[in-house]
Amino acid sequence: AQSVTQPDIHITVSEGASLELRCNYSYGATPYLFWYVQSPGQGLQLLLKYFSGDTLVQGIKGFEAEFKRSQSSFNLRKPSVHWSDAAEYFCAVGAQGTDKLIFGTGTRLQVFP
Amino acid sequence: NAGVMQNPRHLVRRRGQEARLRCSPMKGHSHVYWYRQLPEEGLKFMVYLQKENIIDESGMPKERFSAEFPKEGPSILRIQQVVRGDSAAYFCASSPGTASNGYTFGSGTRLTVV
Repeated sequence: AQSVTQPDIHITVSEGASLELRCNYSYGATPYLFWYVQSPGQGLQLLLKYFSGDTLVQGIKGFEAEFKRSQSSFNLRKPSVHWSDAAEYFCAVGAQGTDKLIFGTGTRLQVFP
Repeated sequence: NAGVMQNPRHLVRRRGQEARLRCSPMKGHSHVYWYRQLPEEGLKFMVYLQKENIIDESGMPKERFSAEFPKEGPSILRIQQVVRGDSAAYFCASSPGTASNGYTFGSGTRLTVV
């Protein structure tokens, strides 16, 4: 069965510092991978997605993620965090022919000035 | 170009009452998904619908919960005889095709059962 693990429940970084949020997935076939961001009291916004091809994908708001098949990972990165990036981040996995996305439990990001 | 519209944003129900949550997908999207988010947890899949059809309801509790997506009008998630454990944020998402396209989410309905 598909599953997604986000090992870090809560991360705190200083504004301007680099960021990496971890995501590991379990799925037998080639997955479709997504990162979403949720601000407090809001819905989820798609940051980026990976289907195939280049394993480094660029998203909105300066985020990028790298698909590493050998590690079953799809970590989200940003070189310099802004205070407005404070939110909850969710990794999700789907696959061709499936009907639903499976979400991780999320990583809450706090940014200190 | 309105996004996914959910209403109400907040809903308070007493135990034993019924809760009706509405979702209008994005224009051109024929696939609707409902997810539930409990405090400090991720999103749990509940049900996937297309117009007039339930495609996958593997995440729906066996009792008290039902969903529909009629030919005309919004998708409805209905919870009968609510209990305190139903308190959660319920999110609707839509897509033009299967999940591999990614979803567009609504802002959610926050249900509080008192």
